[in-house]
Amino acid sequence: NAGVTQTPKFQVLKTGQSMTLQCAQDMNHEYMSWYRQDPGMGLRLIHYSVGAGITDQGEVPNGYNVSRSTTEDFPLRLLSAAPSQTSVYFCASRSSAGESYEQYFGPGTRLTVT
Amino acid sequence: GDSVTQMEGPVTLSEEAFLTINCTYTATGYPSLFWYVQYPGEGLQLLLKATKADDKGSNKGFEATYRKETTSFHLEKGSVQVSDSAVYFCALTPRGGSNYKLTFGKGTLLTVNP
Repeated sequence: NAGVTQTPKFQVLKTGQSMTLQCAQDMNHEYMSWYRQDPGMGLRLIHYSVGAGITDQGEVPNGYNVSRSTTEDFPLRLLSAAPSQTSVYFCASRSSAGESYEQYFGPGTRLTVT
Repeated sequence: GDSVTQMEGPVTLSEEAFLTINCTYTATGYPSLFWYVQYPGEGLQLLLKATKADDKGSNKGFEATYRKETTSFHLEKGSVQVSDSAVYFCALTPRGGSNYKLTFGKGTLLTVNP
């Protein structure tokens, strides 16, 4: 099991460029989420999905799009990058079964927007 | 809404010292509670969890007890090592409709000196 994988590990964008952060999991988890981590802010939820074809907004969705065409993949799209989107992005997944609600995190993508 | 408050640090200790990182939460009902750890340059790993009142989570010498009466989940370790240097996040997932998300505290940077 690779768990949750993310690519790329690092990325530098210019303001106004677009890009897609990739996330995949091989644990057959229904729930997947994107978080951003900023100094002194903890992690904040951007978008989430409770299954293929179902997505919804989290706390900080502006400037980001997601889609979920398969159980395994949950890409995050930056439509027109802004310096405020400089952050570390983490993808997470968990099973909908059970009551422990434990989430598994990918290694992160460090994004810099200049 | 739900929230998590943890001591912000940074915390600097000598090897073999006792560690406490305070965490309190606000949530309705009985959320699941977690401590995640982030080692330098890495993603988040689950350190321990508790799913109901009076549960004690433990792992790698760390412990935390779910205290409903004080809405707390303080992290403790009796003797820290240099390898424990990391950022520690307290987090919760509510029961019911919003159980797809983790709400994080802002994180506590721990540095352990030899």
